[in-house]
Amino acid sequence: SQTIHQWPATLVQPVGSPLSLECTVEGTSNPNLYWYRQAAGRGLQLLFYSVGIGQISSEVPQNLSASRPQDRQFILSSKKLLLSDSGFYLCAWSGRRTGELFFGEGSRLTVL
Amino acid sequence: KQEVTQIPAALSVPEGENLVLNCSFTDSAIYNLQWFRQDPGKGLTSLLLIQSSQREQTSGRLNASLDKSSGRSTLYIAASQPGDSATYLCAVTGGGADGLTFGKGTHLIIQP
Repeated sequence: SQTIHQWPATLVQPVGSPLSLECTVEGTSNPNLYWYRQAAGRGLQLLFYSVGIGQISSEVPQNLSASRPQDRQFILSSKKLLLSDSGFYLCAWSGRRTGELFFGEGSRLTVL
Repeated sequence: KQEVTQIPAALSVPEGENLVLNCSFTDSAIYNLQWFRQDPGKGLTSLLLIQSSQREQTSGRLNASLDKSSGRSTLYIAASQPGDSATYLCAVTGGGADGLTFGKGTHLIIQP
């Protein structure tokens, strides 16, 4: 069966510090991969998606970036965090046949 | 641009009641619709996926219906239990790799 792992679960970082959130998927190959952000009181916002290694599409211009160095690995990064980057970050994957989306457990980021 | 609306935003009912959560979307050209459950501080759990050619899907006490032409879906929960308390999110996709468009969710509380 397929599983998705996301870490770290919780992160407290000062403004201006770098960020790296990692996500890996097991039990499937060539998935579509996604990073979403969920801010308090707001819906889920799609940040990045990837259909293959090295292929990244950005939905929202910001100081975040994403990379896919391996088929089942997706990384969300920032060189310098802003207060507005605080939120709950969710990684997800979907198979190409049905498009059903499966989420990781999320990473809670607090920027102080 | 696709927009998804969920009504009500919050709902509190006594244990044992049957209930209906509503979801509407503005663009009927969807590929599939998915219902999720989110517990506080956790990721999203997929409950039901309805392909655009289907009219309903069932899983245990849950039944989701889809009316593409009117841009509506409902999630029916039978014999509600306190463990059903969570936020329920509806999301649709147009079939591209750019993921789902989410509603803001219905926060459900089942009173023991």
